[in-house]
Amino acid sequence: ETGVTQSPTHLIKTRGQQVTLRCSSQSGHNTVSWYQQALGQGPQFIFQYYREEENGRGNFPPRFSGLQFPNYSSELNVNALELDDSALYLCASSPGLAGVDTDTQYFGPGTRLTVL
Amino acid sequence: QKEVEQNSGPLSVPEGAIASLNCTYSDRGSQSFFWYRQYSGKSPELIMSIYSNGDKEDGRFTAQLNKASQYVSLLIRDSQPSDSATYLCAVNINRDDKIIFGKGTRLHILP
Repeated sequence: ETGVTQSPTHLIKTRGQQVTLRCSSQSGHNTVSWYQQALGQGPQFIFQYYREEENGRGNFPPRFSGLQFPNYSSELNVNALELDDSALYLCASSPGLAGVDTDTQYFGPGTRLTVL
Repeated sequence: QKEVEQNSGPLSVPEGAIASLNCTYSDRGSQSFFWYRQYSGKSPELIMSIYSNGDKEDGRFTAQLNKASQYVSLLIRDSQPSDSATYLCAVNINRDDKIIFGKGTRLHILP
């Protein structure tokens, strides 16, 4: 157990809808990163939040957005869902920012999103 | 050029043998390197982190880093069937403060 939780476990949406995924980080972990993992692929970096501010973003369109809250919880929001958004969405928390030795990440169990 | 590259496999290794997994990365400024194991349907779990050139050992696992060659590897000694999984190499891309994953190598330990 990593101490990182995600909800819901599974979710089915239709194209064009909006979805909010939630993550609860380990206490004391100021950094949370979100990843999209398609079947047979490695996790793709979506964005990272550090102390409630976005701190790095991957090649994802603006309809992917996030929030981080002071209580170590965070959200990933996806608007105007497309079929290709079907994937496992992972959040990972770490004590500090990447680039120092506190950047080891601990993953949650993931949310499986299916877009029909 | 892809930022983190791994051979997708599958890599088949007899039980008890040494499994060798390799990864190359493109950004010379990278500082932190990680190996994760991911079982089918599960999330990645951290096996090793390595920050300095050379070898780092933890039980049956040894991570090797060569920054000059931009190469990081994972050796698994005395391979067990329970080691069968996908192994993900991850690298801190310092310029963007983000951690990038390779596509993973599927490892199959043959009983």
